[in-house]
Amino acid sequence: GAVVSQHPSWVICKSGTSVKIECRSLDFQATTMFWYRQFPKQSLMLMATSNEGSKATYEQGVEKDKFLINHASLTLSTLTVTSAHPEDSSFYICSARDLAAGRYFGPGTRLTVT
Amino acid sequence: AQKVTQAQTEISVVEKEDVTLDCVYETRDTTYYLFWYKQPPSGELVFLIRRNSFDEQNEISGRYSWNFQKSTSSFNFTITASQVVDSAVYFCALSERNRGSTLGRLYFGRGTQLTVWP
Repeated sequence: GAVVSQHPSWVICKSGTSVKIECRSLDFQATTMFWYRQFPKQSLMLMATSNEGSKATYEQGVEKDKFLINHASLTLSTLTVTSAHPEDSSFYICSARDLAAGRYFGPGTRLTVT
Repeated sequence: AQKVTQAQTEISVVEKEDVTLDCVYETRDTTYYLFWYKQPPSGELVFLIRRNSFDEQNEISGRYSWNFQKSTSSFNFTITASQVVDSAVYFCALSERNRGSTLGRLYFGRGTQLTVWP
């Protein structure tokens, strides 16, 4: 089946630094990628939707200047958490949609900001 | 209003018991898709099933079965003869049609934590 990878799987960073998370579709072209955030014992919250080659569409309440999304190719999307703070600590999950409208999730990235 | 409601926050059962996880959804679209995902402690979402709104047949896959009832807007998930490895958070999700037949964004329920004791 289709595979989506995320890198890194976990990261610890100091407050004020920026962190980049990569999401790759390994064996298919992802026309659309979604980024979710999940706090402990809570559901997945959609942060933004990105289509290859265009600007991401952010959900209400998500700061686009803080969570930079780049979808430069059909197999790669990146989420950069800029000037991270402890409240940004969370589990970030990407999802990719292929041409047949299938939906596949990455394994997630656990971010801890100290 | 929530589009997907999973009223059961936590369920505990003993191994070999059957367990049903409830999911109620809300949509005005006539074409939509329903999903179930499993999230074990590792965090990775595991796809279990996708069902479109025109297919009301119940589905069985091994110990898993799904009951789709449009009349009550429910898409319940049953695990028979539960096992310890079934312990996880289970999410029900809804996607409405977006421009033609492609899937729009997924709306997730809050999830149900299932714990199966040996």
